[in-house]
Amino acid sequence: DVKVTQSSRYLVKRTGEKVFLECVQDMDHENMFWYRQDPGLGLRLIYFSYDVKMKEKGDIPEGYSVSREKKERFSLILESASTNQTSMYLCASSLRGTIRVFSGNTIYFGEGSWLTVV
Amino acid sequence: AQSVSQHNHHVILSEAASLELGCNYSYGGTVNLFWYVQYPGQHLQLLLKYFSGDPLVKGIKGFEAEFIKSKFSFNLRKPSVQWSDTAEYFCAVNALRIYNQGGKLIFGQGTELSVKP
Repeated sequence: DVKVTQSSRYLVKRTGEKVFLECVQDMDHENMFWYRQDPGLGLRLIYFSYDVKMKEKGDIPEGYSVSREKKERFSLILESASTNQTSMYLCASSLRGTIRVFSGNTIYFGEGSWLTVV
Repeated sequence: AQSVSQHNHHVILSEAASLELGCNYSYGGTVNLFWYVQYPGQHLQLLLKYFSGDPLVKGIKGFEAEFIKSKFSFNLRKPSVQWSDTAEYFCAVNALRIYNQGGKLIFGQGTELSVKP
């Protein structure tokens, strides 16, 4: 069965802390994504990666960085957490298309990580 | 810039009522279209998707959606809702691009559906 696992469901961090959110998928997917979900704003893409060591900025990359050293793992890093980064963070993955990177293949989501920055 | 709009933020229906959730997108090229659902406390799940062929797409749990290219719309419908359909629904669009030139799934703001028993 398809599985995207986010290591932490609930975190509370202090302002200024460095925060790591880890995501692992077991489907051999090339594409991986990090979104944040906020009420009334839907899901907004932070970063995505279409291959190992490849990354591209999404809509709201400021204050975040990512790491993709292995195909199955995609990490989101908050270099210095701020209160406006309190949110639900969702990791997702999908297969890469043969011609297009994003070919309409289903995107599978993890259960989310609730981050509170105080 | 590409965007996806869901017209209703919160919809309240009684059981057995019919449902239609609106979704419009802004992108002139080829798109793939999705509806995702998030039940309380659960992760996002795919309800249905369209990428070619018959514009009327049937998904799980009795949901369907119709792609109307001329209206840039992909509305979600269900003839008779149940209490268990209470969830948040997200429309998403994938603007197809050539390999290595990026491309991403863009989500609407979400519509919260509450079904009264």
